[in-house]
Amino acid sequence: EVQLVQSGGGLVQPGGSLRLSCAASGFTFSTYWMTWVRQAPGKGLEWVACIKEDGSEKYYVDSVKGRFTISRDNAKNSLYLQMNSLRAEDTAVYYCARGRTITYWGQGTLVTVSS
Amino acid sequence: DIVMTQTPLSSPVTLGQPASISCRSSQSLEYSDGNTYLSWLQQRPGQPPRLLIYKISTRFSGVPDRFSGNGTGTDFTLRISRVEAEDVGLYYCMQATQFPYTFGQGTKLEIK
Repeated sequence: EVQLVQSGGGLVQPGGSLRLSCAASGFTFSTYWMTWVRQAPGKGLEWVACIKEDGSEKYYVDSVKGRFTISRDNAKNSLYLQMNSLRAEDTAVYYCARGRTITYWGQGTLVTVSS
Repeated sequence: DIVMTQTPLSSPVTLGQPASISCRSSQSLEYSDGNTYLSWLQQRPGQPPRLLIYKISTRFSGVPDRFSGNGTGTDFTLRISRVEAEDVGLYYCMQATQFPYTFGQGTKLEIK
């Protein structure tokens, strides 16, 4: 059974940093692109970032470029999202997901940016 | 960026009746490999999204056959042949042809 278990959300002040983690199981992690998607409270879905199987290619939505970094550790079957210089508008539930076409989703973790 | 536009944004439907949602992209979603990476997702209240359909018309594992997708180029449709109570929620189209990937605004399916 495919599982994506997320951790690392919480409350952070504007300008602060946070690292999200996603532990994958039930599939060969190293053979899949992985994706982060977010959903602001009461809003729709927004694609955030994607990383290739071996980490050699990374893509970001413009609003997070230079502030967020997607990474992975295939030995640990884990995906990460390092978020720096956080803004109020980054407040959202963040989902990790498998693949470029997003076949499986994690449970989501809430990130709240507020003073 | 490719803009995805869904209609309607809200769809009240009678149980047992069909429903359809349209999604239009601002440019063709056909990729250089010949595939069209258009997906449909369902999000029930309080839950993560769930993949229903990918590459326009392929149902994902475990998805009931009352869900179907079709379309080509820039115009796509999700159809539910007979709406059930468990189908209530938000439906999104998503393109994974060109970075940044983008979603439609979402269509709220509710029971009349």
